Amino acid sequence: DGGITQSPKYLFRKEGQNVTLSCEQNLNHDAMYWYRQDPGQGLRLIYYSQIVNDFQKGDIAEGYSVSREKKESFPLTVTSAQKNPTAFYLCASSIHGNYGYTFGSGTRLTVV
Amino acid sequence: QKEVEQNSGPLSVPEGAIASLNCTYSDRGSQSFFWYRQYSGKSPELIMSIYSNGDKEDGRFTAQLNKASQYVSLLIRDSQPSDSATYLCAVLPAINAGNMLTFGGGTRLMVKP
Repeated sequence: DGGITQSPKYLFRKEGQNVTLSCEQNLNHDAMYWYRQDPGQGLRLIYYSQIVNDFQKGDIAEGYSVSREKKESFPLTVTSAQKNPTAFYLCASSIHGNYGYTFGSGTRLTVV
Repeated sequence: QKEVEQNSGPLSVPEGAIASLNCTYSDRGSQSFFWYRQYSGKSPELIMSIYSNGDKEDGRFTAQLNKASQYVSLLIRDSQPSDSATYLCAVLPAINAGNMLTFGGGTRLMVKP
C-alpha cells in the first residue's frame, strides 16, 4: 500500500540534544512538507521541498534543518537552537497542491 | 492578514443535526479547496475536495463553494458523536510559489449524544 510513514511516533529529547524525525513516502510524490502543531493550534510550516536536493524555509524554520537526498525521504532535525520544541510534528507529501496533501501519522516530540 | 479564516469553535450540535462549518479565503483567484478532518492526537485526513462553484456531495458530507463571495463550507448531515473532531479548511491560492496549500486554523466540532 502506498503511503507516508513517520517515525518514531513518540520522541523524547533532552535539553541541548539534536534529534531527527523520519519521513518516508512511497507515493512517488515530488513535494514534501514539515509542519508543527501545538495544542489547540493550526499547522505551521517549517520546511518544504518541491524536488530532490532542494528545499525552502517555511514560516518557522529557525532551530530546524532538513535534507532531501532522495525523492522518498525528507528527514527533519530539531536542533538545540530550537528552544521550545515540544509539539506534534506532521510530514506531508503531494504530487501537486491541486490534489491536496497526504499526511503521515505524526511524531510527538517532548523535551525532558 | 490571515489568508484562510475559520471560526475556531467549538461548534456544538446535537446528534442527528446538521453541522455547518464555514471558511473564508482572501485570494480571489484560488482554484482548489479541501476539507480535512483531524481527530484529537491524530493527523489530518482529507475528506472532501471541491474545485467549482456549487455543491459536492459524498455520503453525509456536502462541500459548498461560492467563489464570488470567497467562502467554502462543509455540511455534515445526521451528525454522529464520531464526527467530533477539528475540521481544517485548505486552499490552493492562485498566487503561489510551489503549489502549496494554505490552511485555516480549524474549527472544533462537538456532537453531543
